[in-house]
Amino acid sequence: ETGVTQTPRHLVMGMTNKKSLKCEQHLGHNAMYWYKQSAKKPLELMFVYNFKEQTENNSVPSRFSPECPNSSHLFLHLHTLQPEDSALYLCASSRDLNTGELFFGEGSRLTVL
Amino acid sequence: DQQVKQNSPSLSVQEGRISILNCDYTNSMFDYFLWYKKYPAEGPTFLISISSIKDKNEDGRFTVFLNKSAKHLSLHIVPSQPGDSAVYFCAASGSAGGTSYGKLTFGQGTILTVHP
Repeated sequence: ETGVTQTPRHLVMGMTNKKSLKCEQHLGHNAMYWYKQSAKKPLELMFVYNFKEQTENNSVPSRFSPECPNSSHLFLHLHTLQPEDSALYLCASSRDLNTGELFFGEGSRLTVL
Repeated sequence: DQQVKQNSPSLSVQEGRISILNCDYTNSMFDYFLWYKKYPAEGPTFLISISSIKDKNEDGRFTVFLNKSAKHLSLHIVPSQPGDSAVYFCAASGSAGGTSYGKLTFGQGTILTVHP
């Protein structure tokens, strides 16, 4: 139990669907992240939020839309995805941006048909 | 172009012996390095880190060594235990240019298996 909870753990969606991934942290952290892990590839940073403000968009396609309503919650809205977007999506949080000690959730396994 | 590379996909070690996991990086702006461990069906968990001002950092059975001139770091686990069996990820970041330390660049991971 890392204090970072992701739902759903598994998601199957068609290319025309709209779905959302949710992340919640109970650690009192101020920074939150979305990382993506595709098959046989390293974890790849997608978005960074600090005090609810987006500080990093790592050239992510607009079909991925993040939302951070407060420092404890982070969403990733998914729309018109492609099969190659199938991956493990990991949420993480940290005390602030000055540390690399991230606390990860267990991930949401996404399959796009 | 991968900036952090773990060239060994897997490593098998006998219980009680030393495990050495290696990592190479290419970006000279990296100045902070970390190791994460990941069990199946769990997210990665932070293990140990090292700043570029040091060449060694120790935490119990885990020691990380940094060779800046070679752009190489390694994680030593002594003695290895079966519970150490997991995927180990090397990660790097830098503060130069306003980049936050939380913006990590990961290697592909090395699967460590420790046999009883």
